[in-house]
Amino acid sequence: EAGVTQFPSHSVIEKGQTVTLRCDPISGHDNLYWYRRVMGKEIKFLLHFVKESKQDESGMPNNRFLAERTGGTYSTLKVQPAELEDSGVYFCASSQDFPGGEQYFGPGTRLTVT
Amino acid sequence: DAKTTQPPSMDCAEGRAANLPCNHSTISGNEYVYWYRQIHSQGPQYIIHGLKNNETNEMASLIITEDRKSSTLILPHATLRDTAVYYCIVRVDSWGKLQFGAGTQVVVTP
Repeated sequence: EAGVTQFPSHSVIEKGQTVTLRCDPISGHDNLYWYRRVMGKEIKFLLHFVKESKQDESGMPNNRFLAERTGGTYSTLKVQPAELEDSGVYFCASSQDFPGGEQYFGPGTRLTVT
Repeated sequence: DAKTTQPPSMDCAEGRAANLPCNHSTISGNEYVYWYRQIHSQGPQYIIHGLKNNETNEMASLIITEDRKSSTLILPHATLRDTAVYYCIVRVDSWGKLQFGAGTQVVVTP
């Protein structure tokens, strides 16, 4: 069974540009999460989808970040316009639809904003 | 979710058991203890979780004190591949977010 995949693995963009990160969860997992780690900080939660609905987006830093999950399959996280402080590693995770189900993480996308 | 406290780092000899402590003195009755680890440059990996009984799986054992205010993750025979940051997370057993702290950097040496 394929794990959680993320694309791209690494992205370098200039301040003010737009970047879209993609996450493909494990097939059949209704729950999809986005997290990020900025330099020197702890891993922080961004948001949680249940199928195509946003269950919890309390961690989204500001309105420059837009997450979508059309059709309840893959998800995208768009940053527009990117700022220097957005640099970091963005992780996606998915889990099955039962309480306490473990979250399976992808390898992350390293975003560098210059 | 309850806050956890872990030592920032610890060393362990290869082949020996690694005992990783975690304090969660404000844990509520419906909160579970989860352990994840992050091997350098990879995504976090689930290890084990429990409520009040001790748990064991193929990766590790979890020992939770009777008052549930602390727990210990045991890696029975540490290998070099167990070098990672280990996170103790307490949360309600739902499908919600994980709140990562600083974790414990474990270095396994030959």
